[in-house]
Amino acid sequence: GAGVSQSPSNKVTEKGKDVELRCDPISGHTALYWYRQSLGQGLEFLIYFQGNSAPDKSGLPSDRFSAERTGGSVSTLTIQRTQQEDSAVYLCASGRDSHTDTQYFGPGTRLTVL
Amino acid sequence: DAKTTQPTSMDCAEGRAANLPCNHSTISGNEYVYWYRQIHSQGPQYIIHGLKNNETNEMASLIITEDRKSSTLILPHATLRDTAVYYCIVRATNTGNQFYFGTGTSLTVIP
Repeated sequence: GAGVSQSPSNKVTEKGKDVELRCDPISGHTALYWYRQSLGQGLEFLIYFQGNSAPDKSGLPSDRFSAERTGGSVSTLTIQRTQQEDSAVYLCASGRDSHTDTQYFGPGTRLTVL
Repeated sequence: DAKTTQPTSMDCAEGRAANLPCNHSTISGNEYVYWYRQIHSQGPQYIIHGLKNNETNEMASLIITEDRKSSTLILPHATLRDTAVYYCIVRATNTGNQFYFGTGTSLTVIP
């Protein structure tokens, strides 16, 4: 079946511009996670959505980062006034529910801020 | 969630078993051991998880010591496509949020 998809696969932007990254989770998955991975580093948690509950935003690095999940499915991660240190691969994962806990990852969006 | 310790890198000959160790000496009773891997330029891929019994699936086997303070992921017949970074994670299933991936073990399968 279809896995997690993300778009765009690559995004190059100029410092100070806003960007939106999209994640389409696996159909029926209620849990959705955003991570970022800088070059040569492990994954850094950003935000977690579970059903209709308030999201866990504890990993967002600054107020320039926000995310929403419409209708419990598609999610958009927005970075405002991008900085060069925002350059990374942004990964989305979905899961059936929080208790199952197996996460299925998308291919990621590689963001480069010039 | 308990921290894990893994070797930074390992090599394995193609066709041989790859044994990847992980120490999690502070694991608590309700925490599972998960293994994911990340092939270059791809998102992480779930491999296997377990609580205290050894587990096996089509990808790998997971051996957890009786005291649960360490575990070993076994790829029985490593192929070149198994070259990846392997992450060992321990977490409780009721926390419902992020995994702490750490830096993992970079496994290189050598022809």
